[in-house]
Amino acid sequence: GDSVTQMEGPVTLSEEAFLTINCTYTATGYPSLFWYVQYPGEGLQLLLKATKADDKGSNKGFEATYRKETTSFHLEKGSVQVSDSAVYFCALNPAGDYKLSFGAGTTVTVRA
Amino acid sequence: EAGVVQSPRYKIIEKKQPVAFWCNPISGHNTLYWYRQNLGQGPELLIRYENEEAVDDSQLPKDRFSAERLKGVDSTLKIQPAELGDSAVYLCASSSALRTDTQYFGPGTRLTVL
Repeated sequence: GDSVTQMEGPVTLSEEAFLTINCTYTATGYPSLFWYVQYPGEGLQLLLKATKADDKGSNKGFEATYRKETTSFHLEKGSVQVSDSAVYFCALNPAGDYKLSFGAGTTVTVRA
Repeated sequence: EAGVVQSPRYKIIEKKQPVAFWCNPISGHNTLYWYRQNLGQGPELLIRYENEEAVDDSQLPKDRFSAERLKGVDSTLKIQPAELGDSAVYLCASSSALRTDTQYFGPGTRLTVL
């Protein structure tokens, strides 16, 4: 079945460091791909998404590009802040379906 | 615009007791989802509603879990009786008919079964 595999954490960075969280997927057809973020004590928030190959999703300085050839959707941010400390989830939504499949999540801690 | 509302935020019960969670989706969203998120894992879908109809309940443990969305708006998820392994965060999400690929999540209910 369709699934997502993301980089295990935890990841600890210093402020202004570069962040990459790897995400690869297995799916038939052309799924939509998402990154969700969960701040401490809060629910999941949609961070960005891409619905077709080569699309780039971006929000709050984060970016991810839908790579069909490598079945990847890696999340990047050039300069992280303490407020970016959260758990990040990669997810996919199969083409023509509504069932989100999530990765296990990657905990990111940014130190001042 | 108000987001997805869930209550309670936290619930502690003893095993074998019943428990219920409530969700009010974003106004106008006809699709509602219940997810369970175990510690250190991503959410997993339990049930999906289109208006009043449960269109996907294949992952709902029907021996002890039940859900309803009687008027096609708010929804209740119930566990009876609860087991130790039910300790998790229960998340509700909703999406609109116009943007079915984007789900908006509530803050969740953290259930602890002792």
